[in-house]
Amino acid sequence: SQKIEQNSEALNIQEGKTATLTCNYTNYSPAYLQWYRQDPGRGPVFLLLIRENEKEKRKERLKVTFDTTLKQSLFHITASQPADSATYLCALDGTSGTYKYIFGTGTRLKVLA
Amino acid sequence: ETGVTQSPTHLIKTRGQQVTLRCSSQSGHNTVSWYQQALGQGPQFIFQYYREEENGRGNFPPRFSGLQFPNYSSELNVNALELDDSALYLCASSPGPRTGGNTGELFFGEGSRLTVL
Repeated sequence: SQKIEQNSEALNIQEGKTATLTCNYTNYSPAYLQWYRQDPGRGPVFLLLIRENEKEKRKERLKVTFDTTLKQSLFHITASQPADSATYLCALDGTSGTYKYIFGTGTRLKVLA
Repeated sequence: ETGVTQSPTHLIKTRGQQVTLRCSSQSGHNTVSWYQQALGQGPQFIFQYYREEENGRGNFPPRFSGLQFPNYSSELNVNALELDDSALYLCASSPGPRTGGNTGELFFGEGSRLTVL
């Protein structure tokens, strides 16, 4: 069956450290994989997109890697800040090349001051 | 540029009732997708509308239905509400149904929080 898995347990890290979140998928062949941030009671906000032919993407303190052989994406936040505390969702195009995105369950990140 | 707006923001219904949720897509976007997000879970794809037609559906029963209007705004209707329908309902717009040359980003509204008692 098709699955997208993220660490369901919350991740607590100290301010200034690098947070690494994992997204694993099975039985999908995504053309795109995305990461979103969601604050409590709010809609998800887009952070980064990486294409199937890209290994790594960076944006300011954020870095995403995409390994289609391992069927895994890693999301890194360097020099983390308390304001980075939120739930982070990975999503992939369930029907390749379309906007029909399928989301993981999300990982809650808490950055401790 | 106007973002995605949803209404109402919160509502409470009882089992068996019907509900209509509304969404205005971002300016220039002709495709709207609806998601259901239960507490502690990720958004689940309900369906997508493109040019006033349903363009794909997730694993939701027929009592979940929708509409898209000529101005690309959309409604989500849920009949015969059940307790498990309590969730945050999210609307997301995109410039088309296919990512193609677009950025691939989904633009979400803030959601409608439905509580079924």
